[in-house]
Amino acid sequence: DAGVTQSPTHLIKTRGQQVTLRCSPKSGHDTVSWYQQALGQGPQFIFQYYEEEERQRGNFPDRFSGHQFPNYSSELNVNALLLGDSALYLCASSLSPTGDGALFFGEGSRLTVL
Amino acid sequence: GDSVTQMEGPVTLSEEAFLTINCTYTATGYPSLFWYVQYPGEGLQLLLKATKADDKGSNKGFEATYRKETTSFHLEKGSVQVSDSAVYFCALLRTGANNLFFGTGTRLTVIP
Repeated sequence: DAGVTQSPTHLIKTRGQQVTLRCSPKSGHDTVSWYQQALGQGPQFIFQYYEEEERQRGNFPDRFSGHQFPNYSSELNVNALLLGDSALYLCASSLSPTGDGALFFGEGSRLTVL
Repeated sequence: GDSVTQMEGPVTLSEEAFLTINCTYTATGYPSLFWYVQYPGEGLQLLLKATKADDKGSNKGFEATYRKETTSFHLEKGSVQVSDSAVYFCALLRTGANNLFFGTGTRLTVIP
């Protein structure tokens, strides 16, 4: 049973560029959440997708957008990259959007912005 | 707003030592509380949780009790092993919400 898989694992971009990160949820899960984890910090909630719609959003600017596909996989897009966007981006899946907090996380995509 | 405060690390212990990692929270209502663990090279994993006051979550020898009066959820283990070396995150889920608030994490290193 595959867990949550994310790609790419590492990537380097320059300021102003755009990036797309991908996530496949754990088998049987239909809800995907994205978190940003800056170095030395805890993960911060970006947004959650369920039924191909953004259901809840954290305190992140509109440069951060996402998408969920019919097979429940998801993408995170970040436009006009800033140095401060350098972080580990975590995808988490769950059985439903009104979950009990039991999330399954991928290993993350580490983004470096130069 | 909601927040979680964890004891700062890093924490270094000898094998078989007693572990306590402090966590306090601020939240409206009655949140659920969690400990997640991040082993080297792996994704975050749920370690244990408690959903109401006085509940005790436990797993793999770790335990934490939801203390409403002190707004705390301290993680404890009686005898740590080298394999427990990881980063531990305390988190809360506010009632009616579906996103976790995490603390900053505490890095534990256990030496033989």
